[in-house]
Amino acid sequence: AQKITQTQPGMFVQEKEAVTLDCTYDTSDPSYGLFWYKQPSSGEMIFLIYQGSYDQQNATEGRYSLNFQKARKSANLVISASQLGDSAMYFCAMREGPGNQFYFGTGTSLTVIP
Amino acid sequence: EAQVTQNPRYLITVTGKKLTVTCSQNMNHEYMSWYRQDPGLGLRQIYYSMNVEVTDKGDVPEGYKVSRKEKRNFPLILESPSPNQTSLYFCASSSSTGTVNQPQHFGDGTRLSIL
Repeated sequence: AQKITQTQPGMFVQEKEAVTLDCTYDTSDPSYGLFWYKQPSSGEMIFLIYQGSYDQQNATEGRYSLNFQKARKSANLVISASQLGDSAMYFCAMREGPGNQFYFGTGTSLTVIP
Repeated sequence: EAQVTQNPRYLITVTGKKLTVTCSQNMNHEYMSWYRQDPGLGLRQIYYSMNVEVTDKGDVPEGYKVSRKEKRNFPLILESPSPNQTSLYFCASSSSTGTVNQPQHFGDGTRLSIL
């Protein structure tokens, strides 16, 4: 079974609108971390936001927030007030297990339309 | 400046010619890993290392070797490259002090083309 599932290969959003990128995960480990990364067309991987499995509140970092629904095993990324510079590939990832191993989803390509 | 450095950034080579992609980090991280990125498949882990002299296979280890003789370096070796190893490769490092809350820091990537 896939550890991380991102079901939206591509998304479009109007500039200044909010957008939600979906991510579901699969683990039986009570302790895990969830991460989102941004990969612009230049190729580098940029860490955006982190959510711990024991965190009671949803994580926020500027315009990024993580909608964490533990019972549903989902960790959706919400980008508010989209900007043209948000156009990129976005990857959801999980860290878990005795080896603290990382698992990545297949990514969602976001295009912001002026 | 804290960073993960990969070399080379780009390489075109031929089938069967051994190559090494170097990776070095200056953050004293215990955990290092290699990924390959292919369209539609996301990042797939090739190998990872939890510390010096400790390496483990990831999801797609076939055709690759690694070593971790020093904490800062984690080279990826393709002993006999084949065209299906043409891909974008990333090295990453992270602190792994028994917690899951540390993100990975990535190198800028190495684009390999095997002809």
